[in-house]
Amino acid sequence: SQQGEEDPQALSIQEGENATMNCSYKTSINNLQWYRQNSGRGLVHLILIRSNEREKHSGRLRVTLDTSKKSSSLLITASRAADTASYFCATAPYSGGGADGLTFGKGTHLIIQP
Amino acid sequence: GAGVSQTPSNKVTEKGKYVELRCDPISGHTALYWYRQSLGQGPEFLIYFQGTGAADDSGLPNDRFFAVRPEGSVSTLKIQRTERGDSAVYLCASSSGTGGALEGNTIYFGEGSWLTVV
Repeated sequence: SQQGEEDPQALSIQEGENATMNCSYKTSINNLQWYRQNSGRGLVHLILIRSNEREKHSGRLRVTLDTSKKSSSLLITASRAADTASYFCATAPYSGGGADGLTFGKGTHLIIQP
Repeated sequence: GAGVSQTPSNKVTEKGKYVELRCDPISGHTALYWYRQSLGQGPEFLIYFQGTGAADDSGLPNDRFFAVRPEGSVSTLKIQRTERGDSAVYLCASSSGTGGALEGNTIYFGEGSWLTVV
């Protein structure tokens, strides 16, 4: 079963604009991670935010986490054509709360128009 | 190797046949994961190894699926009596550390094995 739900399912913007993707989840988490997947390729880890953190930055990426609303957002600033990919959020449960693996959402397909 | 290596990259098999998918993790990584990704969906957790032992196999869908990691490095996912619903990309991943997803160590994914059951 999938815990996360990304929103929107698909997003198309112009190069240079900012892209925002949201993720909602259902159960309490230890950490939340964002991954990118280019078509037909494996996933690439982007950033991890722990349940006691509210915001994290990495280069052009900014992630926020609101545990009271069980939601997270990923912001990509100054988008580039190479950012075109599917983006997934994945949650890790509290210890003893479930599988040792990550639970992924269905993803947001981001298209950057040159 | 430099990254997680999976073979075969593509496999077409007939319904009812047996299939083995191989994963060679990053050298020195003790944690190894198998995920399955269907078209248009996110990856679904199957099994997690820490060393040679399956620390968590709660994601395996039924007893037709089995995975081994006898020497704590290479892993093989085995699917018996394949069904058309088993068609998916099977992703392997590895990381250092011993705490699974909780620890938050970066998890490195392979390119996947595309399985089609006809």
